[in-house]
Amino acid sequence: GAVVSQHPSRVICKSGTSVKIECRSLDFQATTMFWYRQFPKQSLMLMATSNEGSKATYEQGVEKDKFLINHASLTLSTLTVTSAHPEDSSFYICSAPDSMNTEAFFGQGTRLTVV
Amino acid sequence: GIQVEQSPPDLILQEGANSTLRCNFSDSVNNLQWFHQNPWGQLINLFYIPSGTKQNGRLSATTVATERYSLLYISSSQTTDSGVYFCAVEKSGDRDDKIIFGKGTRLHILP
Repeated sequence: GAVVSQHPSRVICKSGTSVKIECRSLDFQATTMFWYRQFPKQSLMLMATSNEGSKATYEQGVEKDKFLINHASLTLSTLTVTSAHPEDSSFYICSAPDSMNTEAFFGQGTRLTVV
Repeated sequence: GIQVEQSPPDLILQEGANSTLRCNFSDSVNNLQWFHQNPWGQLINLFYIPSGTKQNGRLSATTVATERYSLLYISSSQTTDSGVYFCAVEKSGDRDDKIIFGKGTRLHILP
């Protein structure tokens, strides 16, 4: 199957700083990527849809200025958590549909801890 | 939006037992996948199964699209099967290709 690589897998940062998470499709091009957030023992919640060459589409309740998404190429989307606070601590995971736009493949996830 | 309900929410079994996990969805879908989230958080694709039946080793899945449910069967459970199993769907006609997850079934296999 297709491979989606997410980096870093784990990050600890201080309150007020920004953190960038990268999501790469390694062996296919992805015009669309998705970013999810998962709180402990809960399901994955879609945060936003990242569109190559255009603005991201955010789900209701997700702060656009807090979670900056950039999809500059067909293989890379980035999520930047700006001015991070402890409540932003969570597990973030990206996905991309395969070239046939059928099956979704997920990155390894990033565990963010804001102290 | 489309609702995805998984049952049971939690399941504890002895090693070697069989289990059936269910996923109900409230609208027509053109994509249904089962995932296993391991203890490190990684999502492992198990099946892409919008309809029909598939088998992969000890795991099999069946989706009856007309009745809006899917079943994941795990036979001869092993401790490595522990984790959370998610069903995720993409609503038919949704041009955004968004994948919506159920709340998952937390499976714990006892040695």
